[in-house]
Amino acid sequence: DQQVKQNSPSLSVQEGRISILNCDYTNSMFDYFLWYKKYPAEGPTFLISISSIKDKNEDGRFTVFLNKSAKHLSLHIVPSQPGDSAVYFCAAIGANQAGTALIFGKGTTLSVSS
Amino acid sequence: KAGVTQTPRYLIKTRGQQVTLSCSPISGHRSVSWYQQTPGQGLQFLFEYFSETQRNKGNFPGRFSGRQFSNSRSEMNVSTLELGDSALYLCASSWDETAYNEQFFGPGTRLTVL
Repeated sequence: DQQVKQNSPSLSVQEGRISILNCDYTNSMFDYFLWYKKYPAEGPTFLISISSIKDKNEDGRFTVFLNKSAKHLSLHIVPSQPGDSAVYFCAAIGANQAGTALIFGKGTTLSVSS
Repeated sequence: KAGVTQTPRYLIKTRGQQVTLSCSPISGHRSVSWYQQTPGQGLQFLFEYFSETQRNKGNFPGRFSGRQFSNSRSEMNVSTLELGDSALYLCASSWDETAYNEQFFGPGTRLTVL
């Protein structure tokens, strides 16, 4: 049962436009969320995070929005650049039987065309 | 500062064999986590080690095991390989077991089981 869902496997955007990547979660106990970016043949790199006490966090061109009532978060990239083309993973810190761990979505492949 | 290194980068094995993957964390980092990435399931948490102790374990069968040495290097072992174990295995290191936003990933080991 997928606790963190990224329902769009891919997204295509033109350079300069906004990219919006979406993520839904099922567990209302999740209180910290992260976005990672992954290029081919490289490991994921941390991009931006948000705590459940906030509804928005901004870092340069990247903004993450959190809607706790809808259990939904989104990553906005403005303006999009060709170098942003990568797989984006949404993750939540959740509890399992042994402690806490990162729970990832399946990822969304973003393609930014020039 | 050198990043997280994983060896080997690519590996081909046959069903029933066993395999050992290695991860060297960033100098000073004491926490190492392992993840499995497959197209169908995305990134899934395997286990986490901190100061040579397994602190957390994901929902994987006992064929998957790991250990951490006193220098923080970690190994992951998969016994009796199955076709479904074909995946990218990623390790990530951080200075503390809860520093998720400061977790650095290695490039991964691509395991193919024939």
